[in-house]
Amino acid sequence: DIVMTQSPDSLAVSLGERATINCKSSQSVLYTSNNKNYLAWYQQKPGQPPKLLIYWASTRESGVPDRFSGSGSGTDFILTISSLQAEDVAVYYCQQYYSTSRTFGQGTKVEIK
Amino acid sequence: QVQLVQSGAEVKKPGASVKVSCKASGYTFTNNDINWVRQATGQGLEWMGWMDPNSGNTNYAQKFQGRVTMTRDTSISTAYMELSSLRYEDTAVYHCASAIAGRLSSWGQGTLVTVSS
Repeated sequence: DIVMTQSPDSLAVSLGERATINCKSSQSVLYTSNNKNYLAWYQQKPGQPPKLLIYWASTRESGVPDRFSGSGSGTDFILTISSLQAEDVAVYYCQQYYSTSRTFGQGTKVEIK
Repeated sequence: QVQLVQSGAEVKKPGASVKVSCKASGYTFTNNDINWVRQATGQGLEWMGWMDPNSGNTNYAQKFQGRVTMTRDTSISTAYMELSSLRYEDTAVYHCASAIAGRLSSWGQGTLVTVSS
């Protein structure tokens, strides 16, 4: 299985400041035939199911604020919240869908400093 | 809009089986794979497997091979996940999610399964 490793496990950021979450896969999730990275990001707030934020590593899901952005390719990816809002407090997960056996990162908890 | 509605909470004894349902609406049920993901209290997301509702084909995480069965009834747009030989550590919230090209675009509300003697 492809192992997904996120860093840090948690971070505290001041309102309006930038939050950056890293995700590393144990093997490339870039499919060279279509040049797409099979990597998604989800947000999960307490008591709620996860919500899809980003797919193909950098495509924002419809309705997701543009302060959320994804970047990276191959094995290294980043989720950036450009200006943290109170409603962004949540746990964030990356997930690869390159392999038929999907796997998630362990999650990164984002809090307000 | 896409909606996935899951069955209610369950309490089961160790060694028993549980079957969770996931009723889809707002889209053509057979067009999108249904994935199952579980989450123990305070823990991360654990992918269990997916099923193609059109063909019934499945792919299970190795950890659950032999214990999990994913099925569907296309006449009522409902997917099912059955987990057998339950252990205390299977206590978790189980989610279904509809996938578009592999990404989990819509999620059910979750079903709490408690394994307790």
